[in-house]
Amino acid sequence: DVKVTQSSRYLVKRTGEKVFLECVQDMDHENMFWYRQDPGLGLRLIYFSYDVKMKEKGDIPEGYSVSREKKERFSLILESASTNQTSMYLCASTLGSYSYEQYFGPGTRLTVT
Amino acid sequence: DAKTTQPPSMDCAEGRAANLPCNHSTISGNEYVYWYRQIHSQGPQYIIHGLKNNETNEMASLIITEDRKSSTLILPHATLRDTAVYYCIVRVEDAGNMLTFGGGTRLMVKP
Repeated sequence: DVKVTQSSRYLVKRTGEKVFLECVQDMDHENMFWYRQDPGLGLRLIYFSYDVKMKEKGDIPEGYSVSREKKERFSLILESASTNQTSMYLCASTLGSYSYEQYFGPGTRLTVT
Repeated sequence: DAKTTQPPSMDCAEGRAANLPCNHSTISGNEYVYWYRQIHSQGPQYIIHGLKNNETNEMASLIITEDRKSSTLILPHATLRDTAVYYCIVRVEDAGNMLTFGGGTRLMVKP
C-alpha cells in the first residue's frame, strides 16, 4: 500500500515562528502536493511539485514556500507563521500527471497563537 | 473544472445501500466524475471515477446519467466505518492532478 506520512498530527506555534511541515511518500511518486483545508472553504492547493527541485504555485501560495530535495520528501515552510495560517494541512502524492488517484497523508492540524 | 452540487448531509441505516447524489450540469465532454471521501481526522481517500459509463470497484458503484449532468455514488452495504464526508469532483484527467473539494455530503451511517 502507498503510504504518505506527515511529520506531526498536531502542532502549536507562535506568531512569527518559522514552521516546517514534512511529508514523505514511499512509492516513488513523481508528483507531490500541499493543500490546506478550512471549514466552508474546502481543499485549497498551496504548492505542488512534479519532480525533484521543481515546484509550482497553487491557488494560495502567499506566506508559504516549499522544498523538494529528494523525490520522496516534500516540505512546506511557513516563513513567519500568522494566525490566519491556522488550518489543517494535507500532503498528497500521485504517480504521474495522468494518475487519477491522489494518496493523502493523515494531515497536520496547525494552530498559530 | 465544472462545479458540483451535493446535499450537505444524509443518513443511512447500517447494512443498507447509501446513495449519494451529485449534480454537475455544466460538465464538459472531457471531464471525469471523481469521488473521494474523508473520514474524520484522516486525509481524503479516493473511491472511484468515471467518464460516462457506470463503474464499479470493491468500494462502490458510480452511476452517471446519460446526459452526464448528474451521478450517484452507491455504497451497497454501508457500515459504520463509512461515516465520512463524501466529495464529488469533476475535472479533466490531466489537470495537473490538482483537486478542488467543495462542501461534500456528510454521510452518517446509523446502527
